[in-house]
Amino acid sequence: GQQLNQSPQSMFIQEGEDVSMNCTSSSIFNTWLWYKQDPGEGPVLLIALYKAGELTSNGRLTAQFGITRKDSFLNISASIPSDVGIYFCAGFPSGANSKLTFGKGITLSVRP
Amino acid sequence: NAGVMQNPRHLVRRRGQEARLRCSPMKGHSHVYWYRQLPEEGLKFMVYLQKENIIDESGMPKERFSAEFPKEGPSILRIQQVVRGDSAAYFCASSPNSNQPQHFGDGTRLSIL
Repeated sequence: GQQLNQSPQSMFIQEGEDVSMNCTSSSIFNTWLWYKQDPGEGPVLLIALYKAGELTSNGRLTAQFGITRKDSFLNISASIPSDVGIYFCAGFPSGANSKLTFGKGITLSVRP
Repeated sequence: NAGVMQNPRHLVRRRGQEARLRCSPMKGHSHVYWYRQLPEEGLKFMVYLQKENIIDESGMPKERFSAEFPKEGPSILRIQQVVRGDSAAYFCASSPNSNQPQHFGDGTRLSIL
């Protein structure tokens, strides 16, 4: 089945730095979603993207739906300690009755 | 508008007992999904239900696991005769229809002694 690739598994940045994550697939997706999971909690939807080329912001977060429809990017600007967590990409592959597919997540650590 | 509510947040069972995990979807959402997550791992799809119907149970073990979403009341994930390997966090998500983003609860952390 379709897979979403997120790498590296972990990222370490300094507070105040910007960070970019990407999510890739070998097949076309119709919708891209980015979630964040804090320790001990459930994933929270950050941004949803529905159209190729779409660029959407949510505060310091910006995400883009890749033109090829096979990738998406999430950028976090001016990171702060509470940005730590696991960032999952997810998406609906093209085709009828497609199932939401998740990447394995990237664990972000922010050094104060 | 309340989010997805899961209870209990933590559940401890001895081997051989039954575990029942409950999930109340967001108001207006009739589609419910259950996922399992092991430490340091991603979300593994288990089952997708829409009121009174199981739509997709391809991720659920054939034995000991069952799920339901009755006309009234929460969705239930039931694990019979639990074993140590069932220890994990179980998350429920809901959506208004099948191709809309899913919203997650805070999970039930199941520990098997």
